[in-house]
Amino acid sequence: SQTIHQWPATLVQPVGSPLSLECTVEGTSNPNLYWYRQAAGRGLQLLFYSVGIGQISSEVPQNLSASRPQDRQFILSSKKLLLSDSGFYLCAWSVGVYTEAFFGQGTRLTVV
Amino acid sequence: SQQGEEDPQALSIQEGENATMNCSYKTSINNLQWYRQNSGRGLVHLILIRSNEREKHSGRLRVTLDTSKKSSSLLITASRAADTASYFCATDPNAGGTSYGKLTFGQGTILTVHP
Repeated sequence: SQTIHQWPATLVQPVGSPLSLECTVEGTSNPNLYWYRQAAGRGLQLLFYSVGIGQISSEVPQNLSASRPQDRQFILSSKKLLLSDSGFYLCAWSVGVYTEAFFGQGTRLTVV
Repeated sequence: SQQGEEDPQALSIQEGENATMNCSYKTSINNLQWYRQNSGRGLVHLILIRSNEREKHSGRLRVTLDTSKKSSSLLITASRAADTASYFCATDPNAGGTSYGKLTFGQGTILTVHP
């Protein structure tokens, strides 16, 4: 069966520090991968998606970047965090087109 | 911007009652999906309804889709305390070409079911 791992679960980082969040998927090949951010009490906003290794599309301008070094690995990064980067970050995957997405448990990032 | 708008923002009911949540969206879609989120957790997919479908059932869940009104509703029958969670609708927009599952989420409805 397919599983998705996302870590860490919580993270407190100072302003100006770098960020690296990792997500891996098991049990499937060539998934579509996504990074979403959820502000407190609100819906999810798509940040990045990837349909293959090295293929990254950004949905909103921001201080973050994403990379996909392996088929089932998706990384969210920042060189210098801002206070506004605080939020709940969720990784997700899907296969094919017009199908449902499966989410990781999320990382709660607090920038102080 | 968020395409889906959900109504109500919060819903409080007693165990055994039915809960209805509504979602409106703005553009053409390939499908509409409903997700559930327990506090501080990831989202769990509940049901997907395609643009050419009008109603779908899964256990105690019933989803309707009206593409002419660009709206959907989620009905949870005989609710339980364990149904307490946030519920989100998400649309897979049909903007021409392949969407690759880039979902646009509503703001969600917070459902509280009192035992």
